[in-house]
Amino acid sequence: NAGVMQNPRHLVRRRGQEARLRCSPMKGHSHVYWYRQLPEEGLKFMVYLQKENIIDESGMPKERFSAEFPKEGPSILRIQQVVRGDSAAYFCASSPPSESNTEAFFGQGTRLTVV
Amino acid sequence: AQSVAQPEDQVNVAEGNPLTVKCTYSVSGNPYLFWYVQYPNRGLQFLLKYITGDNLVKGSYGFEAEFNKSQTSFHLKKPSALVSDSALYFCAVRAPRTGFQKLVFGTGTRLLVSP
Repeated sequence: NAGVMQNPRHLVRRRGQEARLRCSPMKGHSHVYWYRQLPEEGLKFMVYLQKENIIDESGMPKERFSAEFPKEGPSILRIQQVVRGDSAAYFCASSPPSESNTEAFFGQGTRLTVV
Repeated sequence: AQSVAQPEDQVNVAEGNPLTVKCTYSVSGNPYLFWYVQYPNRGLQFLLKYITGDNLVKGSYGFEAEFNKSQTSFHLKKPSALVSDSALYFCAVRAPRTGFQKLVFGTGTRLLVSP
């Protein structure tokens, strides 16, 4: 059973370009979460999605950031017109539908560098 | 709003000695508490969790943590440290009625175990 798969592992973008980060949850998991880790900081919650639904996006910046989890395929975190401050590690986590006592399983992250 | 404090940026311990990594939390109601470990350029690996029940929780790789409600603490411990335990450790809390894995993380504590 493969874990949470994220790609690419490393992504370099010039200022103003778009960044697309992909996340495939663990088999049997239908809940996906995106977190951002800035240098020397802990992880910050960004968004929680179920298939075709955004459930909680309270941690998402209001502009340039969007997320989706389509019926088929991976979850995508999209950052438009990237700026240097977007440089960070972006982690995806997944959990099964039964939420009560489970823990989230994290992917290895995508390290975005904006030059 | 819930919060987590990890008061030590770094903990140094000699191999074979016991280790403690401190965590205190603030949340309304009974918390769900987690410890994760992050190795360099890797994702987060789940170590252990407290949901309910016994205050002493045993987890992976010989780690354990003690939930102390009166002190609002959830310190991570190991009786005998290994050099391979050197990593970044994160404490996280989830509010009990959140219903999903919206975790609030501490800023992390770097553990260095010397030979």
